Amino acid sequence: DAGVIQSPRHEVTEMGQEVTLRCKPISGHDYLFWYRQTMMRGLELLIYFNNNVPIDDSGMPEDRFSAKMPNASFSTLKIQPSEPRDSAVYFCASSSGWGAGELFFGEGSRLTVL
Amino acid sequence: AQSVSQHNHHVILSEAASLELGCNYSYGGTVNLFWYVQYPGQHLQLLLKYFSGDPLVKGIKGFEAEFIKSKFSFNLRKPSVQWSDTAEYFCAVNAPYGGSQGNLIFGKGTKLSVKP
Repeated sequence: DAGVIQSPRHEVTEMGQEVTLRCKPISGHDYLFWYRQTMMRGLELLIYFNNNVPIDDSGMPEDRFSAKMPNASFSTLKIQPSEPRDSAVYFCASSSGWGAGELFFGEGSRLTVL
Repeated sequence: AQSVSQHNHHVILSEAASLELGCNYSYGGTVNLFWYVQYPGQHLQLLLKYFSGDPLVKGIKGFEAEFIKSKFSFNLRKPSVQWSDTAEYFCAVNAPYGGSQGNLIFGKGTKLSVKP
């Protein structure tokens, strides 16, 4: 079975550019999560969706960040404009069922903003 | 709001040594508890989980964890570590009846380095 698929795996961009990260969750999973991992802060939850509806976006750092889930098989995380402090690994994860059972993580997107 | 504390930032052990990684959470209600592992350059994978029942949970690769409700703890143990256990370990908590049921809160992680 295919796991959670993220793209791109690596992205290097310049400050001010728009960045779009993509995620395809496991088929049948009704929860989708976006996490950011940095050395300083560890794993931070940015936003999560249930049945394509954003439930909690309190972790989104600021208005430069936005996330969408237009259908059950696709989600995007957009940063516009990007800044060097956004450099991190962004993980997408999905799960099935209520109460956040086991999360299945993608390989992550490593973002470097110069 | 829930929070998770992992006491050790970096643990260095020799092969065959015993391991115990501490994890405490703050939430007074019912919780689901997890340990995830992240091998170098890879994504997080589930090691073990506790939802209810026997507080001693056995996971993959010889790991186990004990839920002690009175101490709000869920420590991870392994009797004898191997070099291949070198990884970062994350404790996580979810409050299924809390205000944000889908949310899984992670600790900051503990890096384990096992010397061959």
